[in-house]
Amino acid sequence: QVQLVQSGAEVKKPGASVKVSCKASGYTFGDYYLHWVRQAPGQGLEWMGWINPHNGATDHALKFQGRVTMTRDKSIATAYMEVSGLTSDDTAVYYCAKDVGYVNGCDYWGQGTLVTVSS
Amino acid sequence: DIQMTQSPSSLSASVGDRVTITCQASQGIGKRINWYQQKPGKAPKLLIYDASNLLTGVPSRFSGSGSGAYFTFTISSLQPEDIATYFCQHYDRRPPFTFGPGTKLDIK
Repeated sequence: QVQLVQSGAEVKKPGASVKVSCKASGYTFGDYYLHWVRQAPGQGLEWMGWINPHNGATDHALKFQGRVTMTRDKSIATAYMEVSGLTSDDTAVYYCAKDVGYVNGCDYWGQGTLVTVSS
Repeated sequence: DIQMTQSPSSLSASVGDRVTITCQASQGIGKRINWYQQKPGKAPKLLIYDASNLLTGVPSRFSGSGSGAYFTFTISSLQPEDIATYFCQHYDRRPPFTFGPGTKLDIK
């Protein structure tokens, strides 16, 4: 069965960076885009970007320009998202999610990684 | 970027009621909209893609319609397990694939 398992919760100071991992299993990793979506406490969903695990190509929302780096390691079917220059506004649950394939939606999601930014 | 608005932001309904949520895109997006359900503390779950197609296993009381810029999501007969927040999301052409702000649904 398809599973996405994310790394554990993180607490970071303002200005620091955080790297969240997302290990995929149960399907061919390179065949489906992986999305990254975040959700601040009590707020809605914010689409951050996606990566093509086949060739590593990425695209992301403009607001994260220069602060978000998405990578992958095909050999271990794992995607990573690093966010730099953290502020309190980055406190959120970060999700990775597998693209459906025939439409651009997310059919399987990781369990979420809570990143707390606090001095 | 395409913006998505949703209404209402919250609603209360009784078991068995018909519930409708609307989503409007800032420009025409064809049928390129998804609908998700999110329960507290859980990841979202994709229910409908391409405006009206149910993902396999999703109960038939859920449905979606619309095209262009105006879309609706309907629960034909509300069940207690449907209590959740519902989000629309567009996937028109290029990213970012913006979500609507969500509609919180609870039981009256």
